[in-house]
Amino acid sequence: DADVTQTPRNRITKTGKRIMLECSQTKGHDRMYWYRQDPGLGLRLIYYSFDVKDINKGEISDGYSVSRQAQAKFSLSLESAIPNQTALYFCATSETTDTQYFGPGTRLTVL
Amino acid sequence: DAKTTQPPSMDCAEGRAANLPCNHSTISGNEYVYWYRQIHSQGPQYIIHGLKNNETNEMASLIITEDRKSSTLILPHATLRDTAVYYCIVGRTTDSWGKLQFGAGTQVVVTP
Repeated sequence: DADVTQTPRNRITKTGKRIMLECSQTKGHDRMYWYRQDPGLGLRLIYYSFDVKDINKGEISDGYSVSRQAQAKFSLSLESAIPNQTALYFCATSETTDTQYFGPGTRLTVL
Repeated sequence: DAKTTQPPSMDCAEGRAANLPCNHSTISGNEYVYWYRQIHSQGPQYIIHGLKNNETNEMASLIITEDRKSSTLILPHATLRDTAVYYCIVGRTTDSWGKLQFGAGTQVVVTP
């Protein structure tokens, strides 16, 4: 089984809808991250969490919120989805910055 | 945070060594050099990292210049499965900071 899983893997939604992307990990890491990737661009950090009680904004947090329900779970929400949030979303975990383990990604399309 | 410069693309013949350059002229003393790769739309995969000394693991070798302003990732025997975007990133390993800034990377295409 994969160490980092993301659900759903693909999602099509409409403008204004609330969407939640979920991430689970079995690596026992305290640190978790959410990134987005747009075509032809690198990954940009949305939010990160160093433990269950710690949540931090990344470089592009506007329009997003997160919840760290447990050490193993980190959810990303789009409160009111808009078309420019169409992207590939990745969750990652790490013990330190040395090695981040990424999930398989969620492809989100907002119509 | 230090930025990196990589060529947008490069080709490599299968079985040959692939040498991927990266410039990081503003790197500071406590910043590491990390390499990740991303195979088409999959999650990025860690390859290797280093501070000053050259490093080698089962995937690749990392050569860092003495002034630390540039580095080279070497894939010793490229295979078709090494076709991917390779990201060179600089960042700090501390207890309070764990973010990696991904740039556009180098698209490497390994050809038969």
